[in-house]
Amino acid sequence: DTAVSQTPKYLVTQMGNDKSIKCEQNLGHDTMYWYKQDSKKFLKIMFSYNNKELIINETVPNRFSPKSPDKAHLNLHINSLELGDSAVYFCASRGQGPAEAFFGQGTRLTVV
Amino acid sequence: AQKVTQAQTEISVVEKEDVTLDCVYETRDTTYYLFWYKQPPSGELVFLIRRNSFDEQNEISGRYSWNFQKSTSSFNFTITASQVVDSAVYFCALSLNSGYSTLTFGKGTMLLVSP
Repeated sequence: DTAVSQTPKYLVTQMGNDKSIKCEQNLGHDTMYWYKQDSKKFLKIMFSYNNKELIINETVPNRFSPKSPDKAHLNLHINSLELGDSAVYFCASRGQGPAEAFFGQGTRLTVV
Repeated sequence: AQKVTQAQTEISVVEKEDVTLDCVYETRDTTYYLFWYKQPPSGELVFLIRRNSFDEQNEISGRYSWNFQKSTSSFNFTITASQVVDSAVYFCALSLNSGYSTLTFGKGTMLLVSP
């Protein structure tokens, strides 16, 4: 049973389209994140949610809108996709305190 | 703001060699947590170890060992007798003690182990 699962694993779409990536965790964690990994492998935090509430938004364009219907789910919707949005997007969840984060398998988004 | 520096972009070794991956961090907080993650070619991020700032004991797990030195703000990772399966990108990360702190990652070190 996968702890943090993301769908889809691959997403190829044209510029200007709108797409969503779904994330679910079955670990009972309160905190969930979205990270973006660029072509140079750099992992950068995009959003942090705690118990369905947005805690951190790291200067991400407002074309990116996270939504957390409950604390087990954190979805990412992207409007008007641009070439520069091509990257791997990772969802993660984390328990309380100094716990490690558990990552989903990533979604490779390619905008053409 | 915190920062993690992994100065080695890429390291190539031959199987059975020992290799050390460097990690230097910056933070003004006195309580923080350090992590190492592995990203194999398949792409997933695999947790390897967590260390808190009050525990400077070195840790060994099989062929892996970690050396934490607060005096130099370093948390280095050594693989002994490297194997081809160790080929991956390795990330060092830092998190503060606050409840909502995220993990700040270094840029990663790509390790290539050839037979």
